[in-house]
Amino acid sequence: AQSVTQLGSHVSVSEGALVLLRCNYSSSVPPYLFWYVQYPNQGLQLLLKYTSAATLVKGINGFEAEFKKSETSFHLTKPSAHMSDAAEYFCAVRAGGTSYGKLTFGQGTILTVHP
Amino acid sequence: DGGITQSPKYLFRKEGQNVTLSCEQNLNHDAMYWYRQDPGQGLRLIYYSQIVNDFQKGDIAEGYSVSREKKESFPLTVTSAQKNPTAFYLCASSKDWVSYNEQFFGPGTRLTVL
Repeated sequence: AQSVTQLGSHVSVSEGALVLLRCNYSSSVPPYLFWYVQYPNQGLQLLLKYTSAATLVKGINGFEAEFKKSETSFHLTKPSAHMSDAAEYFCAVRAGGTSYGKLTFGQGTILTVHP
Repeated sequence: DGGITQSPKYLFRKEGQNVTLSCEQNLNHDAMYWYRQDPGQGLRLIYYSQIVNDFQKGDIAEGYSVSREKKESFPLTVTSAQKNPTAFYLCASSKDWVSYNEQFFGPGTRLTVL
């Protein structure tokens, strides 16, 4: 079975500082991994996805993530935080086998950006 | 503009009532999904549909029902059997079931039981 662990339910950074949101996964098959962002009272928007091509994946709004198989990690980073980055972020892994389309989500990390 | 619409945005229900949440997509996607979101618990899958006229139970299907009579529509009914229905409900769709394509999400419906 697939699972996702997001380390840290809340992360706080200053504007202009590095953003690092951690995600570790467990999967019995080669995983497909996703990062989504959610602003208050809205749906989820895809930031980026890993689908077994390049291990360093670039997404929207300056975010990127690196797939590390040896560490079973897919951490999300952004070099310089902006106030508009304040939101909740979800890491998700796509199941394999007969449950191809199902996504398993982490608990979410709320990012706060201070001026 | 292609996308997913959910209505209503806010819904209030009295205990013992059934309510139906609407989800419509014009992306021509085969697969559709319903999730429930509670604070600090991420998203949990209620039901999913791989293709029209088919649907399967997710991880927390008890107290919910769905139908998929049209490709673009996947309504969710929250029945009186659902003991704690107050939550944020998200509908999603993906191009198909078997590829690695991402899921696209609607704006959500917030259900409150009075």
